[in-house]
Amino acid sequence: SQKIEQNSEALNIQEGKTATLTCNYTNYSPAYLQWYRQDPGRGPVFLLLIRENEKEKRKERLKVTFDTTLKQSLFHITASQPADSATYLCALRASGTYKYIFGTGTRLKVLA
Amino acid sequence: ETGVTQTPRHLVMGMTNKKSLKCEQHLGHNAMYWYKQSAKKPLELMFVYNFKEQTENNSVPSRFSPECPNSSHLFLHLHTLQPEDSALYLCASTPDLSTFTDTQYFGPGTRLTVL
Repeated sequence: SQKIEQNSEALNIQEGKTATLTCNYTNYSPAYLQWYRQDPGRGPVFLLLIRENEKEKRKERLKVTFDTTLKQSLFHITASQPADSATYLCALRASGTYKYIFGTGTRLKVLA
Repeated sequence: ETGVTQTPRHLVMGMTNKKSLKCEQHLGHNAMYWYKQSAKKPLELMFVYNFKEQTENNSVPSRFSPECPNSSHLFLHLHTLQPEDSALYLCASTPDLSTFTDTQYFGPGTRLTVL
């Protein structure tokens, strides 16, 4: 069955460092991959989309990579700040379907 | 604000109660979704509506009954729920189902507790 795994349930890093979050998938061939941010008591908010034929996408301090051979996406936040503390979700969508499948998320805490 | 509102934000109900969750989007979108988010579990897609027509029922128990009277409003009617139905229920919308890169706009969710 399709499975999406995001690395550790929680990740603590020091302010100013680069946070790297992982999204691995099996038994799936996504054409699109999205990353969302979710704060406690709030709904997810879209951050970045990357297509299967794109290796890398950037937006300000955020960078996403997509390796279809390794079946993995990496999400980087450079120069991390305490305000970046949140849960980050990856979501995958296969070509020809409108449904996204979500991972369980990684809770990031940036320490001041 | 994402342009998607949900009411109520919190709901506590007994197993014999009947209640409804409401979602409204002000984005002019035509597709709306219900998701369930339980602790330590991924978001589970429950229902999808496109131009008011239901296009997806992801094997959801009949104690959950969706209603979409128009493209801006989506309801989830609840009756005789079980404690394991306690979760955060999220509504989302997209312009429609045909553009595969569409960003989903989520509401803040309704935190449901079933006693």
